Amino acid sequence: GESVGLHLPTLSVQEGDNSIINCAYSNSASDYFIWYKQESGKGPQFIIDIRSNMDKRQGQRVTVLLNKTVKHLSLQIAATQPGDSAVYFCAETGNQFYFGTGTSLTVIP
Amino acid sequence: GAVVSQHPSWVICKSGTSVKIECRSLDFQATTMFWYRQFPKQSLMLMATSNEGSKATYEQGVEKDKFLINHASLTLSTLTVTSAHPEDSSFYICSAIHTRSNTGELFFGEGSRLTVL
Repeated sequence: GESVGLHLPTLSVQEGDNSIINCAYSNSASDYFIWYKQESGKGPQFIIDIRSNMDKRQGQRVTVLLNKTVKHLSLQIAATQPGDSAVYFCAETGNQFYFGTGTSLTVIP
Repeated sequence: GAVVSQHPSWVICKSGTSVKIECRSLDFQATTMFWYRQFPKQSLMLMATSNEGSKATYEQGVEKDKFLINHASLTLSTLTVTSAHPEDSSFYICSAIHTRSNTGELFFGEGSRLTVL
């Protein structure tokens, strides 16, 4: 997995609103994509995944959209809750693992 | 789901000492494990790829003599920070790939926080 230690972009949303977190990936050969959630002081946790033969997948309150044409992945969180405050990052895998830099989501009560 | 455990979760040591962090896959075998470090408000930085039974592959800029990695079995990889200094203070995270996984999913440990005084 390759990633860069950059400072994270931030996103603040009001509790109850929907959140959209974006990720641009680089490898057109990647065929599997994962969104992870990382709470402060903890390891990343799997949220949802999608394969390259799909363009949308829904979970509980989360939806992942994949646009292979522009190599873009997004995570939508419906009715955002304070417990959703965390860092979210995407990962793309094919022969290698690549991680996005992540987005820090803050939910305002 | 597959579980990856790290130990210790938090360690404080004096400058100049060495610290070992363990990464275990509890209910699956992992041919490949990855080690990352993460500074506050920053993303994961891959340090090295650890393959069972062979030498680890280090990312550019990571000193292999400073960060010793041993992957002696399919369920255990260790990271030893040798002669630790305050600038080594960080959050170290490991991840593992299930040997029989055809999805490519990584399973992460909970991380180990190292504080060097």
